[in-house]
Amino acid sequence: NAGVTQTPKFQVLKTGQSMTLQCAQDMNHEYMSWYRQDPGMGLRLIHYSVGAGITDQGEVPNGYNVSRSTTEDFPLRLLSAAPSQTSVYFCASSYSVGEGYTFGSGTRLTVV
Amino acid sequence: DAKTTQPTSMDCAEGRAANLPCNHSTISGNEYVYWYRQIHSQGPQYIIHGLKNNETNEMASLIITEDRKSSTLILPHATLRDTAVYYCIVRVNTGGFKTIFGAGTRLFVKA
Repeated sequence: NAGVTQTPKFQVLKTGQSMTLQCAQDMNHEYMSWYRQDPGMGLRLIHYSVGAGITDQGEVPNGYNVSRSTTEDFPLRLLSAAPSQTSVYFCASSYSVGEGYTFGSGTRLTVV
Repeated sequence: DAKTTQPTSMDCAEGRAANLPCNHSTISGNEYVYWYRQIHSQGPQYIIHGLKNNETNEMASLIITEDRKSSTLILPHATLRDTAVYYCIVRVNTGGFKTIFGAGTRLFVKA
């Protein structure tokens, strides 16, 4: 198993550009989430999904869209990048509600 | 979901037990206690979780008080590689499955 794979690992965007952060898992996990972590801070939940076709908002959803068309993939879309979205983005998944999350290695995004 | 309170930072000598406390005085009867850690800038790593009984695995032990208002994560023989931020989280295991992280405790293991 590759676990949770995030691409790209690093990205620089200009203000106003859009992009999609990719997250894929090969563990047949139903539950997936996106978090952002600003320098020196804890993780904040952006969006999460409890299965294909089902998504919901977390603590800081504004400026981000998600979809879950397959169990394996949970992409995060930045609609119009802003410098405030400079952060490290982590994707996580779990097989069931009772298990802990497996996290990806993160995407480091800088918006200039 | 109930909120948690953890010390900002702690020190521990290498080879000694590290005891990390967490207060969750507003925990509900159906909320579990989860612990994760984050080493440097890596993705967080799941450690252990429990409802009301003490739990142990290959990484750590989790001690939950009888009234469930607090818990302690124990790393029995801390090593330098255990230096990390440790997060205590409480959440239900049904429904929306939102997992909210707080600020955590920064554990420094010293030689």
